[in-house]
Amino acid sequence: GQQLNQSPQSMFIQEGEDVSMNCTSSSIFNTWLWYKQDPGEGPVLLIALYKAGELTSNGRLTAQFGITRKDSFLNISASIPSDVGIYFCAGQLDSGYALNFGKGTSLLVTP
Amino acid sequence: DAGVIQSPRHEVTEMGQEVTLRCKPISGHDYLFWYRQTMMRGLELLIYFNNNVPIDDSGMPEDRFSAKMPNASFSTLKIQPSEPRDSAVYFCASSPTYYGYTFGSGTRLTVV
Repeated sequence: GQQLNQSPQSMFIQEGEDVSMNCTSSSIFNTWLWYKQDPGEGPVLLIALYKAGELTSNGRLTAQFGITRKDSFLNISASIPSDVGIYFCAGQLDSGYALNFGKGTSLLVTP
Repeated sequence: DAGVIQSPRHEVTEMGQEVTLRCKPISGHDYLFWYRQTMMRGLELLIYFNNNVPIDDSGMPEDRFSAKMPNASFSTLKIQPSEPRDSAVYFCASSPTYYGYTFGSGTRLTVV
């Protein structure tokens, strides 16, 4: 599959801080998705992006589909302890291809 | 909706033994995916099915791995013989379309 570079690998922040993470690829994707994985569970879809330049929010989460179609970012505002987990970006080349996942960003939030 | 159901949740087996992982997708989902997650390699796609037919198995590591989907409500991933390097968390996911997967809770496999 295509390589997705996700950064940072880990973040350790205080409750209330904003968080930003991003994902880049050498290839163009037509769909970008962001997932969160809690310990001992499978990833859960947070936000899906289908169009270059698209900016989508889900509560305190905001994600954007980069104009070049080779990158995406996820912001979390006013972090809370339950935001702890691993966040994965995933890209899909086109219909007929499965998702490619980044290596994940591990987020720790201290009260 | 019970979601994607995987069993067992944990499996510990000795090297050389056969291991079978099971998955029940969400009813009505046409796509089923098997992923493997390790610290080193992250989430890797092993194989996926569309309407019970294997579409892409290029991610299957080697002949020791096989997957079947005999009907729309059941799939298995088999490793025979198992090796310590197969230790990982194996996820099954299903989807009504090509994206927006719903993942199961995974099977943590340890081969000793």
